[in-house]
Amino acid sequence: GAGVSQSPSNKVTEKGKDVELRCDPISGHTALYWYRQSLGQGLEFLIYFQGNSAPDKSGLPSDRFSAERTGGSVSTLTIQRTQQEDSAVYLCASSLASSSGGGTDTQYFGPGTRLTVL
Amino acid sequence: AQTVTQSQPEMSVQEAETVTLSCTYDTSENNYYLFWYKQPPSRQMILVIRQEAYKQQNATENRFSVNFQKAAKSFSLKISDSQLGDTAMYFCALRYNAGNMLTFGGGTRLMVKP
Repeated sequence: GAGVSQSPSNKVTEKGKDVELRCDPISGHTALYWYRQSLGQGLEFLIYFQGNSAPDKSGLPSDRFSAERTGGSVSTLTIQRTQQEDSAVYLCASSLASSSGGGTDTQYFGPGTRLTVL
Repeated sequence: AQTVTQSQPEMSVQEAETVTLSCTYDTSENNYYLFWYKQPPSRQMILVIRQEAYKQQNATENRFSVNFQKAAKSFSLKISDSQLGDTAMYFCALRYNAGNMLTFGGGTRLMVKP
């Protein structure tokens, strides 16, 4: 089937504006992850959704960042009052299930959204 | 907390030759998984190979193989018969058996020269 898709591919915004980034995981994947890739910080985990469980938000850098996952499928990452340091590539990944029951739980990534905050 | 270190920011190799990318990690856990991902200019992270820490046998996938040294906490990637399409950023990553997120190294930029 289709892989993980993300939209938009690129987003340019002005400082202080809100942005929404979308992720469509692989059909049937119950786990969904957001990562941020920036020059200074490398690849960082942001948030993780698993089924109907409460998301793991431990990687969100500030309260300006939030994410939701509707119907256990599509996810939206929202950044409010964007700052220049938010400029990065935002990557989404999905996997079949949590690894708590064992297994490799390989994460498959989307092409990312490049966010530029002017 | 776990850390993953890739000590080679950039490497180059001639087409058809063999190259090894280094990765070391630090973790107090005994059960975990290790991965190598490739990121070409298209930005899409592509899984290259994975290794379960409880397995002693090194993983192989066609031209790609790993040298997993658990005691030394080392997980290097060997690419044989390098091809131009192997040009990309390569990231080493670790995930706990019961964990969720991947912890990535800083990446190695590999250039395959014709």
